[in-house]
Amino acid sequence: DAKTTQPPSMDCAEGRAANLPCNHSTISGNEYVYWYRQIHSQGPQYIIHGLKNNETNEMASLIITEDRKSSTLILPHATLRDTAVYYCIVRSPTGNQFYFGTGTSLTVIP
Amino acid sequence: SQTIHQWPATLVQPVGSPLSLECTVEGTSNPNLYWYRQAAGRGLQLLFYSVGIGQISSEVPQNLSASRPQDRQFILSSKKLLLSDSGFYLCAWSAWTPGMNTEAFFGQGTRLTVV
Repeated sequence: DAKTTQPPSMDCAEGRAANLPCNHSTISGNEYVYWYRQIHSQGPQYIIHGLKNNETNEMASLIITEDRKSSTLILPHATLRDTAVYYCIVRSPTGNQFYFGTGTSLTVIP
Repeated sequence: SQTIHQWPATLVQPVGSPLSLECTVEGTSNPNLYWYRQAAGRGLQLLFYSVGIGQISSEVPQNLSASRPQDRQFILSSKKLLLSDSGFYLCAWSAWTPGMNTEAFFGQGTRLTVV
């Protein structure tokens, strides 16, 4: 599975959009991009995933560039409860493993 | 709906003692099962995964072993704990569908402190 690169930390003002970037320049054509988040001392929580098209659900939006070498997770109106470590993962359809990097620690500031 | 149970939530064990952490999944059949470890301030490291009963793949050579005696039961064990085994252990499952991506769902973790 391809590796991902994320900034180690970011801040965001409460109520503003949080845009978390992820680079996955070696991604293969059949690999999906997944996003998870981990609030302190809890298990990671699934947020969203996508292949080529942009995706949106009740939690977030996922924007994948046309060349698929990078993506951005958008939390449209960040709240204090969104403070967490956010992980970007790429995974093949046949791959059984989920490999996590070190993620981005997002702090939402009041 | 599917749920995952992992216990105990916290555990303090002396060096050299054995370990057994259990994880069970409800509401699904033939899941893929995973054990991860997270050292303090670090990311998640995949330790083992299993695609079926008795089928275990080890990602990292270490002092730990895993077993899957039943379809929805995954056990992490050690015969003699080391100080370096301390960490946050997470069990996860994902549905198996041929050729299709499915997300993984995590338990709430076990915080192990080896003293």
